[in-house]
Amino acid sequence: GAVVSQHPSRVICKSGTSVKIECRSLDFQATTMFWYRQFPKQSLMLMATSNEGSKATYEQGVEKDKFLINHASLTLSTLTVTSAHPEDSSFYICSALDRVDEKLFFGSGTQLSVL
Amino acid sequence: LAKTTQPISMDSYEGQEVNITCSHNNIATNDYITWYQQFPSQGPRFIIQGYKTKVTNEVASLFIPADRKSSTLSLPRVSLSDTAVYYCLVGDIPSGGYQKVTFGTGTKLQVIP
Repeated sequence: GAVVSQHPSRVICKSGTSVKIECRSLDFQATTMFWYRQFPKQSLMLMATSNEGSKATYEQGVEKDKFLINHASLTLSTLTVTSAHPEDSSFYICSALDRVDEKLFFGSGTQLSVL
Repeated sequence: LAKTTQPISMDSYEGQEVNITCSHNNIATNDYITWYQQFPSQGPRFIIQGYKTKVTNEVASLFIPADRKSSTLSLPRVSLSDTAVYYCLVGDIPSGGYQKVTFGTGTKLQVIP
């Protein structure tokens, strides 16, 4: 199946710093990508929908100024957690929609730990 | 908006066939049904996808009745490595309709030696 690469897989940062997570579709173009967060032993929670060339659509309760999403190309979307705090520590996962194959593929996730 | 309901957990012995059912009573005409497997600290991995009737691939089968209000993922002869959480996701793929659907609780499958 198609491959979605997510980087980094793990990041530890100090409180107040910003962290950028990249999500790339390696063998298909993805006009639409999604960002999720997942807490231990819980399901995935959709944070936002990222559309290439336009502003992201955020789910209710997700701060758009806190979680900056950029989808500047058909193969890359980035999520920047600005001024991270310990409560932002979580597992972040991206997914990309392959419209040709008509399937949704997920990245391997990024474990963010804010000290 | 289709909402999915699955059993929270299931146990099975190695070598057994496992069937996990997902209810999606409000499924829309254009919605597909997709199943994913997730191991701890990893992203969900695509297993199988279907629209109606039966779909089979090298790892699983997906059974969808005529009314499409439920679906059953069938894993033949499970092994210990199949211990994971399994999610069913319902959405309109061509229009990117997955953003309208939230993940359900998933089913934690525990395979016992």
